[in-house]
Amino acid sequence: QKEVEQDPGPLSVPEGAIVSLNCTYSNSAFQYFMWYRQYSRKGPELLMYTYSSGNKEDGRFTAQVDKSSKYISLFIRDSQPSDSATYLCAMALGNYGGSQGNLIFGKGTKLSVKP
Amino acid sequence: ETGVTQTPRHLVMGMTNKKSLKCEQHLGHNAMYWYKQSAKKPLELMFVYSLEERVENNSVPSRFSPECPNSSHLFLHLHTLQPEDSALYLCASSQESGADIQETQYFGPGTRLLVL
Repeated sequence: QKEVEQDPGPLSVPEGAIVSLNCTYSNSAFQYFMWYRQYSRKGPELLMYTYSSGNKEDGRFTAQVDKSSKYISLFIRDSQPSDSATYLCAMALGNYGGSQGNLIFGKGTKLSVKP
Repeated sequence: ETGVTQTPRHLVMGMTNKKSLKCEQHLGHNAMYWYKQSAKKPLELMFVYSLEERVENNSVPSRFSPECPNSSHLFLHLHTLQPEDSALYLCASSQESGADIQETQYFGPGTRLLVL
């Protein structure tokens, strides 16, 4: 079983739709959960960062972590064509220090928002 | 220049060539990373340097050789690569405080490598 599972898509939605992106994971010791956005021909950029369980909201973006289900989600409200990118989930066991801080990534979900 | 820069952006090399990838971070960070991003596969961590000391080497073949001469620069020396090494190679940096938190990693745009 892979450590982090993420549906690669592609996912295509109309402008204005609510987008739901998800990852599941197998290691219950993960504490840090991140979503990165990667535009074509660019490196990933951090979008959302959550420690442990709960929700975090930033503008049109909401990140949710359900540690009991080992499931994380990213919601995008009022999606825009500029949101078209690949979204990568990532998680880590703990702080930096040897392998504990290493990020484990999902494969990424390619999102296309059509005008 | 701001953020994390990488050169070259694209590279085509034969299996017998030797080349180097360069990464420079302008953020004053103390940790730098090399990742490999292949199609339909998750980002794979290759090497981690903290305070110019290598702290992680994830079973990467010896045909990849990292070098970190100072906290701002990171190189990846390549020799006798295989076609399956074709991928996007990403550099990242972060500021590690030693506290029990996960520090944000900032990525460069990557070098798209094709091995023929």
